[in-house]
Amino acid sequence: GAVVSQHPSRVICKSGTSVKIECRSLDFQATTMFWYRQFPKQSLMLMATSNEGSKATYEQGVEKDKFLINHASLTLSTLTVTSAHPEDSSFYICSASGGARDEQFFGPGTRLTVL
Amino acid sequence: AQKVTQAQTEISVVEKEDVTLDCVYETRDTTYYLFWYKQPPSGELVFLIRRNSFDEQNEISGRYSWNFQKSTSSFNFTITASQVVDSAVYFCALRCSNTGNQFYFGTGTSLTVIP
Repeated sequence: GAVVSQHPSRVICKSGTSVKIECRSLDFQATTMFWYRQFPKQSLMLMATSNEGSKATYEQGVEKDKFLINHASLTLSTLTVTSAHPEDSSFYICSASGGARDEQFFGPGTRLTVL
Repeated sequence: AQKVTQAQTEISVVEKEDVTLDCVYETRDTTYYLFWYKQPPSGELVFLIRRNSFDEQNEISGRYSWNFQKSTSSFNFTITASQVVDSAVYFCALRCSNTGNQFYFGTGTSLTVIP
């Protein structure tokens, strides 16, 4: 199957700083990328959907000014957690869809810890 | 509305026992896909199976088998002769074409296989 990478895989930051997470589709063009958040022992919850070249669509309750999503190319989407706080500590997973079969593939996730 | 229910939060079995993980879904869409993913402690989602709504054939892959029944909206997953390496959280998920291809995840079932 196709490969989706995320960078970094793990990040620890101080409260108040901003963190950028990258999601790349390595061998296909991802017309749509999704960002999910998973708190410990919970399920994955969709945060936002982004289509290349257009603004992201955020799920209810997700602050678009806090979680900035950029999908500037068909292989890269970034999620920036602005002014991170301890409650933003979570596992962030992206998925990318595209290609002839419109498959969707998940990245390996980024574990964010805000001190 | 789309919804996936995994009623079993945690299951423990002794090695070599068979175990079935239940999944019940809700959707009004006629075209949809059902998935099972394994999430080991590392967090990365491991794809196990995808089934589309028009294919009710059961599937077997090694020790894994899946039973899809549209009449009861269920897509259960059985592991035969469980092994310690099967210990993980398992997620059932639904993806509908009419809702932007996002995934709706169940709450997951944490499986512990005791040696």
